[in-house]
Amino acid sequence: GQQVMQIPQYQHVQEGEDFTTYCNSSTTLSNIQWYKQRPGGHPVFLIQLVKSGEVKKQKRLTFQFGEAKKNSSLHITATQTTDVGTYFCAGPESGGGADGLTFGKGTHLIIQP
Amino acid sequence: NAGVTQTPKFQVLKTGQSMTLQCAQDMNHEYMSWYRQDPGMGLRLIHYSVGAGITDQGEVPNGYNVSRSTTEDFPLRLLSAAPSQTSVYFCASRLRTSSSYNEQFFGPGTRLTVL
Repeated sequence: GQQVMQIPQYQHVQEGEDFTTYCNSSTTLSNIQWYKQRPGGHPVFLIQLVKSGEVKKQKRLTFQFGEAKKNSSLHITATQTTDVGTYFCAGPESGGGADGLTFGKGTHLIIQP
Repeated sequence: NAGVTQTPKFQVLKTGQSMTLQCAQDMNHEYMSWYRQDPGMGLRLIHYSVGAGITDQGEVPNGYNVSRSTTEDFPLRLLSAAPSQTSVYFCASRLRTSSSYNEQFFGPGTRLTVL
């Protein structure tokens, strides 16, 4: 079955440093979504990428979808303490009939002030 | 809109007990799903439903039952709780369109401990 892998699992940064998490799929994705989960909270949708090579920005966050639509990345510039949490990528289930999302295991962002 | 609501927030069970985790959404979403989240394992799909009367299994369905009698509600039943079912359970919903996927809205979660 389809696998969505994320690296790194944990990332420690000093406040103000940049952060990047990478997502790789074993199959081509029709789209990819990113979610953020604050400690003790629930996942919250950030963005969806659909087109090959697509780049989208949300303030200090930059999302990219690879040309082959098998990988994606999330880059945060100048991290702040509010960025703490776990970032998940998710892609559609492959195969007919399934209607769900396959989530990566997430990258935990820990920020040291 | 309340969005996706889940009850209870916390629950402690003894091995062998049964219980139902409630989930409701008021956004008229066709698609609803249940995930469990364990440390280092991410979010794993238990069961999902694409509409009232239609359910299907996800990645880790064993030990759980679901039903979908209305668009709004999607309860998850633990038939005979086991310590391996200690986890955080999230219910999620989204619109289901033919063109592309839409964002999933997650409930606040139920933190379940099985002793």
